This record gives sequence, structure tokens and C-alpha cells, in this order.
Amino acid sequence: AQSVTQLGSHVSVSEGALVLLRCNYSSSVPPYLFWYVQYPNQGLQLLLKYTSAATLVKGINGFEAEFKKSETSFHLTKPSAHMSDAAEYFCAVRQTGANNLFFGTGTRLTVIP
Amino acid sequence: DADVTQTPRNRITKTGKRIMLECSQTKGHDRMYWYRQDPGLGLRLIYYSFDVKDINKGEISDGYSVSRQAQAKFSLSLESAIPNQTALYFCATSGTGRSGANVLTFGAGSRLTVL
Repeated sequence: AQSVTQLGSHVSVSEGALVLLRCNYSSSVPPYLFWYVQYPNQGLQLLLKYTSAATLVKGINGFEAEFKKSETSFHLTKPSAHMSDAAEYFCAVRQTGANNLFFGTGTRLTVIP
Repeated sequence: DADVTQTPRNRITKTGKRIMLECSQTKGHDRMYWYRQDPGLGLRLIYYSFDVKDINKGEISDGYSVSRQAQAKFSLSLESAIPNQTALYFCATSGTGRSGANVLTFGAGSRLTVL
């Protein structure tokens, strides 16, 4: 069965510091992987996706994620946090041939001024 | 106007009442989904529909039913609401094809409280 694990339900960083949000997937075959962001009182929106092309994926708002098959990871990073990055971030996986996305439990990012 | 519109945005109801959450979209997508979000549990799929004549159960369909009235409309019903159905509910849509099938467009959510 496919699943994703997000380590850390809450992450706090100072403004200007590196953001690192962790996601590991369980799958024998590399799946499609996604990061979504949810701002307060809003629905989720796509940050970036990995679909077996380049292993380093660039998304919106300066975020990027690197697919590492050997570590079964797809961690999300941003070099310098901004106050507007405060939100909840969800990693999601879809196995090739499967119909649906499975979401992780989310990581709430707080940015400290 | 939003691409995916959910109504109502907030609803408080009592145990045993019937509740319907509605979703309409202007994306022209064939595929529509209902998820519920609970703190610490992420999003879990309730039902999904790939076209007007197609309805499929998701991970947690018990206690829920859906209706796909048209390509643009997909409603979720709770026939007899119970307190553990208190949650934030999201409707989402997606296109078809290798890339289109993967990207979900979400509504703003419907917060349901069952007392």
C-alpha cells in the first residue's frame, strides 16, 4: 500500500532561515509525488509535483523539492523563509496506475519575525 | 468567481439531521472528489467520481453518500449526522491524462459541526 509520512507536525523557523519540511513515501515503485500548501481558511493549492522527470523540482514561491529514490524521500525546502510562508504543508503520493492521491498528515510551518 | 465553489462554508447541525454539502466547478473537469480534513490526520478521501455515471468509494465512505448531478456538480450527503463527522470538508476537481489527472483544484472548504 502506498503512503506518505511527514516528520514533524509543527516546524518553526526564523524569518530568513532555511525551511526544510520532510516527507518519506513507502512504495516499491517510484510514484508521483506532490506538495500542497494550505493557507489559513483556504483550500489546498499545488506547490510542486514530481512525475519522473527531473529529480529536483522547482515550485511556486521559491520552494523546491528533491526526489531521492535511495532514501524514499521528497523533502521540501526554501532557502529563506518569509512571513507569508506560514501555512500548513501536505505531501501527497499517487502510485502509477492508481486513481487517487494519498495525503500525509501535514506540517504546520510557523515563521518567527 | 472561484473555480470550485462549496456551499455552505459553515454549518452547525444536530445529531441525526440530514446534511447536504454542495460543490460546483467551472474548470470543465470530469473528475470530482470529496475529502475530509481532521487535525493530525491530513485529508482522507470519502468519494470520487470520474464522470457523471461513475461513483466510487474512497477510504472512509461509511455514513456518507454522494450524487453527481451534472459534470459540474457533485454533492455530499450525511443521511444522519453524528458528532464524529465534525470536520472540514473539501471538494476537489482534476482533469484527465497523465499530467492533468494528478493536479487537484480545491474549493475553500465547508466546516461542519455536529452537536
